[in-house]
Amino acid sequence: AQKVTQAQTEISVVEKEDVTLDCVYETRDTTYYLFWYKQPPSGELVFLIRRNSFDEQNEISGRYSWNFQKSTSSFNFTITASQVVDSAVYFCALSEGWGTYKYIFGTGTRLKVLA
Amino acid sequence: SAVISQKPSRDICQRGTSLTIQCQVDSQVTMMFWYRQQPGQSLTLIATANQGSEATYESGFVIDKFPISRPNLTFSTLTVSNMSPEDSSIYLCSVGAQGEETQYFGPGTRLLVL
Repeated sequence: AQKVTQAQTEISVVEKEDVTLDCVYETRDTTYYLFWYKQPPSGELVFLIRRNSFDEQNEISGRYSWNFQKSTSSFNFTITASQVVDSAVYFCALSEGWGTYKYIFGTGTRLKVLA
Repeated sequence: SAVISQKPSRDICQRGTSLTIQCQVDSQVTMMFWYRQQPGQSLTLIATANQGSEATYESGFVIDKFPISRPNLTFSTLTVSNMSPEDSSIYLCSVGAQGEETQYFGPGTRLLVL
């Protein structure tokens, strides 16, 4: 069965610190997709990144970077030099197969960045 | 990505009543979904809204409680029927374009049932 675990319920950091949000997944499928979404206090879910199971390259986008490791079934998200605007709940999600669009969400990690 | 709007953005309702939430997309999309997010919780898929046919419900969700319509490729409604305080949640619609494997979410509807 598929499962996504975000063990960190809440993290607090001081502005400009780096922070890593962990995501561990379980799946029996060889073809799957992993996602990160940001949910600010306004409630909207903002898409951050999609990664397929055949692409283990790390990705960097500005202050955001993602580390995908199939060997440990992890897809971790790092924010460098955090800012107050990064305060939000971050969700990791897994979708198995091709074209299923069936997401399994993790329980989310609430990030608080203090000024 | 598509621009998605939801109406209403929030509402306070009395128990026993029903509320219909609208989801409008600015372009035709293949897949539309409805999710529930209970306070402090993750997202749970309610159903897939199928254009021109009955929605496909996930385990634990039934059509009588959450009737869904999707008359075309840009619009869907979710009704929360006979509401109780346990229905207080954020309801989100999402869309997926074929071949993209990514869902984009609307701004959500915050529902409080008294």
